[in-house]
Amino acid sequence: DAKTTQPTSMDCAEGRAANLPCNHSTISGNEYVYWYRQIHSQGPQYIIHGLKNNETNEMASLIITEDRKSSTLILPHATLRDTAVYYCIVGGYAGGTSYGKLTFGQGTILTVHP
Amino acid sequence: DAGVIQSPRHEVTEMGQEVTLRCKPISGHDYLFWYRQTMMRGLELLIYFNNNVPIDDSGMPEDRFSAKMPNASFSTLKIQPSEPRDSAVYFCASSLGSSGRIYFGEGSWLTVV
Repeated sequence: DAKTTQPTSMDCAEGRAANLPCNHSTISGNEYVYWYRQIHSQGPQYIIHGLKNNETNEMASLIITEDRKSSTLILPHATLRDTAVYYCIVGGYAGGTSYGKLTFGQGTILTVHP
Repeated sequence: DAGVIQSPRHEVTEMGQEVTLRCKPISGHDYLFWYRQTMMRGLELLIYFNNNVPIDDSGMPEDRFSAKMPNASFSTLKIQPSEPRDSAVYFCASSLGSSGRIYFGEGSWLTVV
């Protein structure tokens, strides 16, 4: 699986957009980009994933660069409850059967301040 | 749906004892995963099953660890004998198909003294 690089920590003011970057320069053409988050003492929670196009759901937006070597997770209006570790993961081969082995890195600790 | 259910939530055991962690995946899900999380190593995939069959157990640390999935609604992760370095949070997770959308349980917090 391709490796990802994320900043160790980020801060964001409540109500502002939180933009979390991720580099995945070795991503292969059929690998997805996934984002999960883990709030303290809880299990990781799926946020969003994408292959090539930008994606949006009720939680966040995912912007993937055209060369697919990096992506940004956007929380449009961060709240205190969004304080968590955010994991960017590459894997799960599109159209194949090798899906399943999502490897979590160290993630980005996002702290939302009042 | 109740989500992925794990038991016990917390366990403290003595070194050398057998530990059994249990998991009930979300009904209808065909993939089941066991992860382990520690401060030092982060979140590691230990093993995963598809339709009750183990697919990849390359993350299982050693022979002291074993996992079974006798049916679609139940899985166990067993450690025998347990050691202090096995102290961690063990997460069970499940998913439907190859969407990559994995649902995690709340974890079993294991302390081996």
